[in-house]
Amino acid sequence: QVQLVQSGAEVKEPGASVKVSCKASGYSFIGLYMHWVRQAPGQGLEWLGWDSPKSGGTHYIQKFEGRVTMTRDTSISTAYMDLRRLTSDDTAVYYCATGGSSWSEAFDIWGQGTTVTVSS
Amino acid sequence: SYELTQPPSVSVSPGQTASITCSGHKLGDKFACWYQQKPGQSPVLVIFQDKKRPSGIPERFSGSNSGNTATLTISGTQDMDEADYYCQAWDSSAAVFGGGTKLTVL
Repeated sequence: QVQLVQSGAEVKEPGASVKVSCKASGYSFIGLYMHWVRQAPGQGLEWLGWDSPKSGGTHYIQKFEGRVTMTRDTSISTAYMDLRRLTSDDTAVYYCATGGSSWSEAFDIWGQGTTVTVSS
Repeated sequence: SYELTQPPSVSVSPGQTASITCSGHKLGDKFACWYQQKPGQSPVLVIFQDKKRPSGIPERFSGSNSGNTATLTISGTQDMDEADYYCQAWDSSAAVFGGGTKLTVL
């Protein structure tokens, strides 16, 4: 059974960048699509994009194009989500999630979430 | 862009059946799934591919999807089912979530 463990909470100033990590265990990380979803305080779920197990393959929602980068380091079974030019609207809990080896699978495994607070 | 619409809230008495709808253009032509989220916790998948239950999800959870509407049905609702529920589907390689429905068990 895959488990996803995310990095700790972050506080950033407006205009800064944040990089959230997501370490997988219990399954071969190499074949997993990794998705990132966020949830602003009191709001619903918002999908940001996915990172493919195939080298360099990513797909981001248009809203975040140019501001988000999703990468992975297979040697340590860890995925990363880098979000730049932060504003207060980016204050949210960020989740990594996976459905397995296809990008269109439902997300049956979620990380515990990483709280990112953007404040001056 | 594709949109999924859910009622903001649904109330149900313990032991009764709760139905939560999710509407989207030709949603029945796509696979829908449902997530349960309790306060302070990560979402949990309760239904995938319209009507399949992941291992460990009670049989009282069921799903259907036809036309423009997917429905999550909880039979014999229990206090522990009180949570937010989100539908999700795929459109043009992007995951789309509904706005969420708060299920209250009165």
